[in-house]
Amino acid sequence: NAGVTQTPKFRILKIGQSMTLQCTQDMNHNYMYWYRQDPGMGLKLIYYSVGAGITDKGEVPNGYNVSRSTTEDFPLRLELAAPSQTSVYFCASGKDTQYFGPGTRLTVL
Amino acid sequence: AQSVAQPEDQVNVAEGNPLTVKCTYSVSGNPYLFWYVQYPNRGLQFLLKYITGDNLVKGSYGFEAEFNKSQTSFHLKKPSALVSDSALYFCAVRVHNNAGNMLTFGGGTRLMVKP
Repeated sequence: NAGVTQTPKFRILKIGQSMTLQCTQDMNHNYMYWYRQDPGMGLKLIYYSVGAGITDKGEVPNGYNVSRSTTEDFPLRLELAAPSQTSVYFCASGKDTQYFGPGTRLTVL
Repeated sequence: AQSVAQPEDQVNVAEGNPLTVKCTYSVSGNPYLFWYVQYPNRGLQFLLKYITGDNLVKGSYGFEAEFNKSQTSFHLKKPSALVSDSALYFCAVRVHNNAGNMLTFGGGTRLMVKP
């Protein structure tokens, strides 16, 4: 049972580039989440989804977009990367208890 | 609104001694409370949660936490610390049936267990 998987593990972007962070879960969870974790800080919610076709903004959504076409997948899109988006990104799934993926470390230079 | 405070950035304890990692919360309504642990370069791992019922909750790896409604606290405890418990610990809270079941996390407490 893989749980929540994320790709890539690491990525370096130049300012203005775009990329998609992938997240897949095999637990048949309707609820999925994207967080960012900055050094020395807790996690901040970017976007969440309560089911396929339904997404909503979290605490820090600016500069990001999401889609949810299937129950399993919840990709996070950065359209115009900025240095402020340098962070570690975690995907999670689950309604009553959230289970986290291993994270993607993103650096924007 | 919901918020969580972890007043200690770091807790140092000797192996074999009891440990406590503190967490206080603020919510409007009944809280659901969680503890997660993060090892270096890893994602968060679920330790335990309080939903309702017994105020003392037991979780993974010998950890437990006590819900105290009057003090709005949910401190994480372990009777005898191990060096392998050294990690970053996060407390989180949400209210029942908030939109999306969104969690609010504290800033984290680094636990250092020395041999």
